Amino acid sequence: GAVVSQHPSRVICKSGTSVKIECRSLDFQATTMFWYRQFPKQSLMLMATSNEGSKATYEQGVEKDKFLINHASLTLSTLTVTSAHPEDSSFYICSAHRGDTEAFFGQGTRLTVV
Amino acid sequence: KQEVTQIPAALSVPEGENLVLNCSFTDSAIYNLQWFRQDPGKGLTSLLLIQSSQREQTSGRLNASLDKSSGRSTLYIAASQPGDSATYLCAPPSGGSNYKLTFGKGTLLTVNP
Repeated sequence: GAVVSQHPSRVICKSGTSVKIECRSLDFQATTMFWYRQFPKQSLMLMATSNEGSKATYEQGVEKDKFLINHASLTLSTLTVTSAHPEDSSFYICSAHRGDTEAFFGQGTRLTVV
Repeated sequence: KQEVTQIPAALSVPEGENLVLNCSFTDSAIYNLQWFRQDPGKGLTSLLLIQSSQREQTSGRLNASLDKSSGRSTLYIAASQPGDSATYLCAPPSGGSNYKLTFGKGTLLTVNP
């Protein structure tokens, strides 16, 4: 199957610093990627749609200045959590669609802000 | 707004049992529906994708059905194994998009040896 790779899998950072998470589609091109967030024992919530070559589209309630998204190529999208605070600690996961429909997800990134 | 409910929330069965996981969704104007499994602390693994024109899709011991009109999908797992233990998620798209997936809380399956 198609592979989406996400890095890092775990990161611990100090409050006030920024953290970058990478999402790569390894064997197909993705003009659109998606970023989700998952709190413990909760469902995945869509944060934003990453569009290659243009601005990301954010879901209601998601701060675009807090969660910076860059989709500079057809295989790479990055999510930067800026000025991270403990409440930003969560599981972040990206996805990309091959063709028109099937979605493939990365391995996820566990962010802990201390 | 698409809302997804999965029943049961948790299920524990002995190895070898056949089981059914249920998913219901509120917006039936969907093009497809995808089933995933998630292992603890891990990402999602795609299991099956059902197109709106299909009623069933099979992969190995897994069979998923889709009834758009009633807003329901089921995942049937035959001859369950301990390795099937995971959280199972169904994800219909929402907002008229093929791509924006909506997730419920999933069904936590435990298969006991």
